[in-house]
Amino acid sequence: QITLKESGPALVKPTQTLTLTCSFSGFSLSTNGVGVGWIRQPPGKAPEWLAMIYWNDDKRFTPSLKSRLTIARDTSKNEVVLTMINMDPVDTATYYCVHLIIKPGGNWFDPWGQGTLVTVSS
Amino acid sequence: QSVLTQPPSVSGAPGQRVTISCTGSSSNIGAPYHVHWYRQLPGTAPKLLIYADTNRPSGVPDRFSGSNSGTSASLAITGLQVEDEADYYCQSYDISLSTWVFGGGTKLTVL
Repeated sequence: QITLKESGPALVKPTQTLTLTCSFSGFSLSTNGVGVGWIRQPPGKAPEWLAMIYWNDDKRFTPSLKSRLTIARDTSKNEVVLTMINMDPVDTATYYCVHLIIKPGGNWFDPWGQGTLVTVSS
Repeated sequence: QSVLTQPPSVSGAPGQRVTISCTGSSSNIGAPYHVHWYRQLPGTAPKLLIYADTNRPSGVPDRFSGSNSGTSASLAITGLQVEDEADYYCQSYDISLSTWVFGGGTKLTVL
């Protein structure tokens, strides 16, 4: 059974850096064809994909936020860390860690972590 | 403004059938990339409902079905139940944006 769980601060101040950790079990990020990503969802809005890291350490970011994001993995700890710099109140959202299913013609996210609400406010 | 367009809300009585549309373009659904559907109950994370257009994960009842045609896709729910009340999101990949994209979401109300 695959599970993922996010951890990090619930409140950050504007201009600060957000660091979130995804701890997962049930799979290895060293296994061919595996990916772990981050998706956020502002209150009352649709999910937005942010970043993805693959089994081969390849990384992808949503273009609009690429300059603010980094993603890294620790395969020995089964963790993926997302960092977002220069936080703004519009970044207030629930941040989800997701397991990526990779198949020809399309990829999908299953399962999702429970999510962690991050509020950006002074 | 979401890349994939869904109706903001749909409703139906218990036992009825409803459909939720997801309209994209030639750079995503029409590329063609598969469409996937998620259900989000209040206060919980989205959960996979349909993958690769028409497939149900284990445990999802056959009351839920998906279809894909051209640049749009649909989710159908038959035999509506009160517990089906939730937000539903479609998801695909957009080759022009180089991002995974979601629809704006549809709130299902069971009257």
